[in-house]
Amino acid sequence: SQQGEEDPQALSIQEGENATMNCSYKTSINNLQWYRQNSGRGLVHLILIRSNEREKHSGRLRVTLDTSKKSSSLLITASRAADTASYFCATDAGGTASKLTFGTGTRLQVTL
Amino acid sequence: DTAVSQTPKYLVTQMGNDKSIKCEQNLGHDTMYWYKQDSKKFLKIMFSYNNKELIINETVPNRFSPKSPDKAHLNLHINSLELGDSAVYFCASSLMGVGTQYFGPGTRLLVL
Repeated sequence: SQQGEEDPQALSIQEGENATMNCSYKTSINNLQWYRQNSGRGLVHLILIRSNEREKHSGRLRVTLDTSKKSSSLLITASRAADTASYFCATDAGGTASKLTFGTGTRLQVTL
Repeated sequence: DTAVSQTPKYLVTQMGNDKSIKCEQNLGHDTMYWYKQDSKKFLKIMFSYNNKELIINETVPNRFSPKSPDKAHLNLHINSLELGDSAVYFCASSLMGVGTQYFGPGTRLLVL
């Protein structure tokens, strides 16, 4: 069954603004990852946060994880037109295989 | 230097045909995956191989048969194609236990 729900489903902002996307999941995880997918392309890994971490930064990206609420957020600061893409959270429950369960995705549109 | 490559990029075929999709990674990873992304952009894992051994086999019709001749290659053969098989199929690879997965550009399959 589908693991992650993301909201909003779609987000439209102007260049320079911040974008926040949220992800909720249902079961225990080993880590949570965020991926970006440009239209018609494959997924690109953005950031991974482990279950014992609460916040992580990478450039203009900030990810938080609240395991008690089974939720995560991705913040993109000072957005650019090139950030226009779909963003997916994916959970890894650990175990013998790194099986990723993806969320429904947030479609981000950054306009000039 | 393409890290994860897939062929073909596009595949248009008739119902009932048999087709194969090939995937190769040059990252030295030991684990490879097949994902299916439907028209609503929902991404779901199908199979995973670690060192040529099948480790994840989700509920996928047995018309789908993965084959891993070596660690760097994972192919997907589909028999008796159906309309519902139309989707984008992504190959990915990772190092066992690391978590981050690297995706190929996808194969867009259209069954007529």
